[in-house]
Amino acid sequence: AQSVTQLDSQVPVFEEAPVELRCNYSSSVSVYLFWYVQYPNQGLQLLLKYLSGSTLVKGINGFEAEFNKSQTSFHLRKPSVHISDTAEYFCAVGLLSGNTGKLIFGQGTTLQVKP
Amino acid sequence: NAGVTQTPKFQVLKTGQSMTLQCAQDMNHEYMSWYRQDPGMGLRLIHYSVGAGITDQGEVPNGYNVSRSTTEDFPLRLLSAAPSQTSVYFCASRNEGSGAGVSDTQYFGPGTRLTVL
Repeated sequence: AQSVTQLDSQVPVFEEAPVELRCNYSSSVSVYLFWYVQYPNQGLQLLLKYLSGSTLVKGINGFEAEFNKSQTSFHLRKPSVHISDTAEYFCAVGLLSGNTGKLIFGQGTTLQVKP
Repeated sequence: NAGVTQTPKFQVLKTGQSMTLQCAQDMNHEYMSWYRQDPGMGLRLIHYSVGAGITDQGEVPNGYNVSRSTTEDFPLRLLSAAPSQTSVYFCASRNEGSGAGVSDTQYFGPGTRLTVL
């Protein structure tokens, strides 16, 4: 069975500091990897995704993530956060096999950016 | 495009009542799905559809029904509400027909916050 684990439920950080949100996955088949962001009282929106090719993926709002196949990780990073980055972040895997593709989400990490 | 819309935004039900959460998309997406979001559990797939007339169960389907009579609409029905169904419900859609499948971006609605007393 496939699973996604986000290692931190909450990450407090000061404005302009770097941040890393950790994500590990488990799967016996090839997967696609995604990070979604949910701002307060809103739906989720795609931040970035890894499908193939370069293991370093750049997304919106200055975020990037690196796929590490040997460690089955897809950690999200930003070199300098802003107050506006305060949100909940979800890592997800998309399964390639089966009759249709499904997304499996992690538990979410709340990023709290402090002034 | 309005994208994915959901109604209502908030709803309070009593145990045993039934209701329908509405979801519509105007992007001509084949794939639509319903998730519930609970604290510390992320999003869990309830039901999904790969096109009009085709639906299937996700990981937590019990207590919910869906139908897909048109490409645009994918309503979620709670048959007999229970307090365990208190949650935030999200509808999502993506373009399955391009062949990209799960690699394509999934678009989410703003959510319906449901409380069952």
